[in-house]
Amino acid sequence: QKEVEQDPGPLSVPEGAIVSLNCTYSNSAFQYFMWYRQYSRKGPELLMYTYSSGNKEDGRFTAQVDKSSKYISLFIRDSQPSDSATYLCAMTRSARQLTFGSGTQLTVLP
Amino acid sequence: DVKVTQSSRYLVKRTGEKVFLECVQDMDHENMFWYRQDPGLGLRLIYFSYDVKMKEKGDIPEGYSVSREKKERFSLILESASTNQTSMYLCASSFLAWGSYEQYFGPGTRLTVT
Repeated sequence: QKEVEQDPGPLSVPEGAIVSLNCTYSNSAFQYFMWYRQYSRKGPELLMYTYSSGNKEDGRFTAQVDKSSKYISLFIRDSQPSDSATYLCAMTRSARQLTFGSGTQLTVLP
Repeated sequence: DVKVTQSSRYLVKRTGEKVFLECVQDMDHENMFWYRQDPGLGLRLIYFSYDVKMKEKGDIPEGYSVSREKKERFSLILESASTNQTSMYLCASSFLAWGSYEQYFGPGTRLTVT
């Protein structure tokens, strides 16, 4: 069983929709939780991070961590075609090595 | 602006060839990483280095080796390429400090082994 599970999609939504992306994990030692965004033919780039449980909001993006359920989410409000990308969750206990999910491919249709 | 560059975007090699993938970062980062990315499997860590001449195995080091002779440069070596090493290879770098969870990635090298 993988340490981090992520639904690969693909996920296709109309412009303006609310998008929910999720990951589950099995290692309770994870403390830092991140979402990376990867555009086609590019490397991933950090979108958001959260330490331990709770919510964090940045513009149209909200990251949630529920450590008791070992479940993290990324919500995108008012989704735009420019949000079309692969979203990878990542987590770590040591900040040196990250464990990544397999990524969810999102397409936002105009 | 952090810059991580990789020597090639696309590479085609034959089975048994020795392959060198080069990565350079310009942010004076201590940590450097090599991943491979495959559909359905996500990013898997091959090797990482937290200092010059230091290296540690990641999750899938078999068939690979690395070299870090200078702080800004981290090389991935496939001693004898095989078809199951056909993949996208991503290099990343980050600061060493505790809490430095942000890794900066290069654009990737798509390697095909025939």
